[in-house]
Amino acid sequence: GENVEQHPSTLSVQEGDSAVIKCTYSDSASNYFPWYKQELGKRPQLIIDIRSNVGEKKDQRIAVTLNKTAKHFSLHITETQPEDSAVYFCAASNGGYSTLTFGKGTMLLVSP
Amino acid sequence: NAGVTQTPKFQVLKTGQSMTLQCAQDMNHNSMYWYRQDPGMGLRLIYYSASEGTTDKGEVPNGYNVSRLNKREFSLRLESAAPSQTSVYFCASSEVRGLTDNQPQHFGDGTRLSIL
Repeated sequence: GENVEQHPSTLSVQEGDSAVIKCTYSDSASNYFPWYKQELGKRPQLIIDIRSNVGEKKDQRIAVTLNKTAKHFSLHITETQPEDSAVYFCAASNGGYSTLTFGKGTMLLVSP
Repeated sequence: NAGVTQTPKFQVLKTGQSMTLQCAQDMNHNSMYWYRQDPGMGLRLIYYSASEGTTDKGEVPNGYNVSRLNKREFSLRLESAAPSQTSVYFCASSEVRGLTDNQPQHFGDGTRLSIL
């Protein structure tokens, strides 16, 4: 089955800095890669997703890049703010009715 | 429009007790999912229902059963609870149109379950 590795497990940045979280996947058939943000005690919420026919996608301060050859994808957050502090999860789907395999998460802490 | 609603929000059980976690969605999605979330483990798929009338095992199905009651509702049952099933359980739904289709999943607020 699919295996998703996520790094780093924790990331501390100063407000205004950029943050990058990286994920690798094992199944070359995977074609959908969402990112979720989970604040403490809350539900995971989709922040951005990318499909395998696209190399990069941006939404304001958030961007995701995908390298199918290397089987890795990354989340980039620019101009970080304290409210960006949360746990971020990457996931991959190999096409089976959107079943997702999640990474173990990255705790992002943005200090004022 | 409530999205995905889970009940109860919190529950404490004794080892060996049974209970059913309820999930309902009002987005007319055809696919529904149950995950468990443990510290440092991410979210792991327990069972999913691609469409009304079908259910399939995920990564960690042992000790659980599910029922897709209708298009809106998907329940998760623990027949004989064990301390290893202490976790936060999330239900999710998505609009999936086929075997190779991928659509975002929308999560409920979770059920925090402790088994003593």
